[in-house]
Amino acid sequence: SQQGEEDPQALSIQEGENATMNCSYKTSINNLQWYRQNSGRGLVHLILIRSNEREKHSGRLRVTLDTSKKSSSLLITASRAADTASYFCATGTGANSKLTFGKGITLSVRP
Amino acid sequence: DAMVIQNPRYQVTQFGKPVTLSCSQTLNHNVMYWYQQKSSQAPKLLFHYYDKDFNNEADTPDNFQSRRPNTSFCFLDIRSPGLGDAAMYLCATETGGGYGYTFGSGTRLTVV
Repeated sequence: SQQGEEDPQALSIQEGENATMNCSYKTSINNLQWYRQNSGRGLVHLILIRSNEREKHSGRLRVTLDTSKKSSSLLITASRAADTASYFCATGTGANSKLTFGKGITLSVRP
Repeated sequence: DAMVIQNPRYQVTQFGKPVTLSCSQTLNHNVMYWYQQKSSQAPKLLFHYYDKDFNNEADTPDNFQSRRPNTSFCFLDIRSPGLGDAAMYLCATETGGGYGYTFGSGTRLTVV
């Protein structure tokens, strides 16, 4: 069953603007991860945040996690046309490391 | 560089004709995953291996089988592909060090 639900489903912004994407989930998690997928390609890992962390940064990426609200957000600052892709959140639960993915957000960055 | 390689990138098969997709990894990790992703949908876990221990998801159809002859290689066999099995098939392993999964580029399966 699907664990993560991203919001919005599609986002279109101008190059240089910030993009904020949200993910909500239903059950307790060990970690939450964000992936990027370019059209017709595999997924690329962007960032992992553990359940005991609240915020994490990696380059132009900032991820927050609110376990009380069961939600996460991914912020991409100073977006570039090359950031155009689909973005997925995925949750890891339980003792194993299986990931459950959301449906994804399509981000379009206009030059 | 650590890699997951899937072959072929595109596969066309006839309705009902068995097809095999392959995956190899250079990370030497003991876990491998197969996901199915249909157009505009979430990747859905079909099964995973922990070493040679095969773990099927409860809702994975019997039509899908898998083999893992060694740590590096894993195969997805679709015994009798139907039109509904047309999808992108993604193989992954764990990167380690808190870096999530490494995915292959996927195999796009078309059933005609």
